[in-house]
Amino acid sequence: GQSLEQPSEVTAVEGAIVQINCTYQTSGFYGLSWYQQHDGGAPTFLSYNALDGLEETGRFSSFLSRSDSYGYLLLQELQMKDSASYFCAVCEDSSYKLIFGSGTRLLVRP
Amino acid sequence: SAVISQKPSRDICQRGTSLTIQCQVDSQVTMMFWYRQQPGQSLTLIATANQGSEATYESGFVIDKFPISRPNLTFSTLTVSNMSPEDSSIYLCSVVGLAGVNYGVEQFFGPGTRLTVL
Repeated sequence: GQSLEQPSEVTAVEGAIVQINCTYQTSGFYGLSWYQQHDGGAPTFLSYNALDGLEETGRFSSFLSRSDSYGYLLLQELQMKDSASYFCAVCEDSSYKLIFGSGTRLLVRP
Repeated sequence: SAVISQKPSRDICQRGTSLTIQCQVDSQVTMMFWYRQQPGQSLTLIATANQGSEATYESGFVIDKFPISRPNLTFSTLTVSNMSPEDSSIYLCSVVGLAGVNYGVEQFFGPGTRLTVL
C-alpha cells in the first residue's frame, strides 16, 4: 500500500531550527514535495526534490534520499508566522497526482 | 502563479441533497484535481478532472457520488451527490501546469469549499 509518515506535532522556539521528517512507501516515485497550510487556508507549495540531496530556498531547505525513501524539511530562523501544518507529498508518476502525508503541526513559541 | 477561485466558499446542506462546487482558474492549466480534507487532517485525492472526457477517480471514489465536469482548460465542477453527514469536509481544487510553464511540479490550490451536511 501507499503510506507517508510524518510526526504529528513539533514545537520549537522563535529563531530556532526545526526538521520535519517524512518516510514514504509508494508504488512509484517521481519526486517529493512539501506544502505549508495555515489554519483555514489553502496548501501552498514550498519545495520539490526529484534527486537525492539538499534543495535550499531561503530559510527553508528540503532533503531527499531515494534509497532510504526518506526526506525532510528544514526550517531555519523560525518565525511565529511559520506556525502551520506541513505536508510532504509524493508524486508517483507523470500524472502529477500527489499522495499527501499525514501532516505535521508546527507550533513556534516566543 | 495561478489565481484560483471556488464557489461556494461554504455551505450547509440537508442530507440527501446535492451540491455543485465550481473551480475557476485565471489562466489555462494542464491538470486539475479535486481533493477532500477533513479539518485537521490530510488531503485525499478524489479524482483528476480531464478536459473533454470523463474524470479519473481514485480508489474509494465513484462517478455516481462525485460527478466531475471539465468543459475547458480553466474551469471544473465537482458535485457531491446524495449527501450524508460523512460528506462534511473541505473540498479543494488544485491545478498543475500553467501555460508557459514547462513542467507541473507545483500544485496551486483553491481556497476550498467548506461543506457541512446535516
